Order: sequence, then C-alpha cells, then structure tokens
Amino acid sequence: ETGVTQSPTHLIKTRGQQVTLRCSSQSGHNTVSWYQQALGQGPQFIFQYYREEENGRGNFPPRFSGLQFPNYSSELNVNALELDDSALYLCASSLRAGTDTQYFGPGTRLTVL
Amino acid sequence: EDKVVQSPLSLVVHEGDTVTLNCSYEVTNFRSLLWYKQEKKAPTFLFMLTSSGIEKKSGRLSSILDKKELFSILNITATQTGDSAIYLCAPRNSGNTPLVFGKGTRLSVIA
Repeated sequence: ETGVTQSPTHLIKTRGQQVTLRCSSQSGHNTVSWYQQALGQGPQFIFQYYREEENGRGNFPPRFSGLQFPNYSSELNVNALELDDSALYLCASSLRAGTDTQYFGPGTRLTVL
Repeated sequence: EDKVVQSPLSLVVHEGDTVTLNCSYEVTNFRSLLWYKQEKKAPTFLFMLTSSGIEKKSGRLSSILDKKELFSILNITATQTGDSAIYLCAPRNSGNTPLVFGKGTRLSVIA
C-alpha cells in the first residue's frame, strides 16, 4: 500500500459527458502526476501538479484539466468524453517535483459508452 | 522524442524458471530508470537505477543498468505464480519531467 488513494474505483459514462476523478496523495508529498493507461499500453503522462500549480503537461487536449488543493489532493476533469477516453487513470504522488520515485494509487477504471 | 522499448511483450514460464526482462531507451539528459510491477491496477515501485553496472537486488529480483548501451534488465530467479504481472520500465531525464513508460512485459508464471 502506497498511501495514495483514488476515487471512484470504477465509472461508466456516455460520450459527451463530463467526469471528475479524485486522488489523495501520500502524506508529506506535494506533487501529484496523472497518467492514462489504455489497454495493453504503458501509462501516458497527462499532467503534474506541484503546490497547486500545473507543473508540466503531456500531449493531451485542453478538455483534460486538473486541480490541486492546499492539502495536495488533486482532481482530474475530462469534458466532452470520447470513446477513446476509456482507460485506467492513475495518479502518482512524489515527495516533491523532480523527485524520481513516484508512488501510484490503485487507479480509476473509466468506461465511456 | 523519448523512446522506451520493452521486450518481450509477453512471456509464459513455469514456476522455478529464471526470466530476464529487457528495457532499452532513448532519453535526452538521462538521469535514472525506474522499474515497476503492475499486478491489477497500481504499479508498485521495484527499483531505481542511476549508475551503470551496479546491481540492485531485492530478494529474487535484481536489476542492472548499462548507460553506454542504453538498456536495463530485470531478472527474476525461481519464479513464483505471485510474480505474474506486467513489468514496466520508465527512464527519467534531468529536470522536472514525467516518467516515460514502455508498454511493459506481461509475465505469466504457471504452476
């Protein structure tokens, strides 16, 4: 157990809807990164938050957005869901931005119908 | 563009076998390489390698990095069914950049 929690564990949505996924980082960690893992692929970086600011972004469209709160928990929001957004969404916390070791939560499995 | 290639993509072995998983990478300003084990959902951290030729070991698992040839291997000896998982490698470059994961190697250990 890494101490990183995510909710919900599973979610089913339809195309065009919006979704919010949540992550609580490990105690003492101020950096949260979000990844999308499609079936048969490795995790792909979406973005990172450090002390409530976006600190890096991968190749994802603007309809993927996020927030980090003063307690360092984080949200991932996806608008206008598409079928290809179906994936496992992982968040990972690290002690600080630039630290190599990231500790992953159990993920949220999103299915878009 | 950073690139990570893992091989084989999948592997089926019997309990007690020894396996070697490969990870080759092309990363500018390389700093470290991480290995993770993913059983159901959350990847769990195994090793972080920063120096060439220095083996890291944890029980039956070991890993080594070759920064000249740009690859790393993960060895698992005396495999058990509990080793069945996807093994992911992720190199990291200097600066505040994200982990870049390979597609992983799916290892199945049968009794």
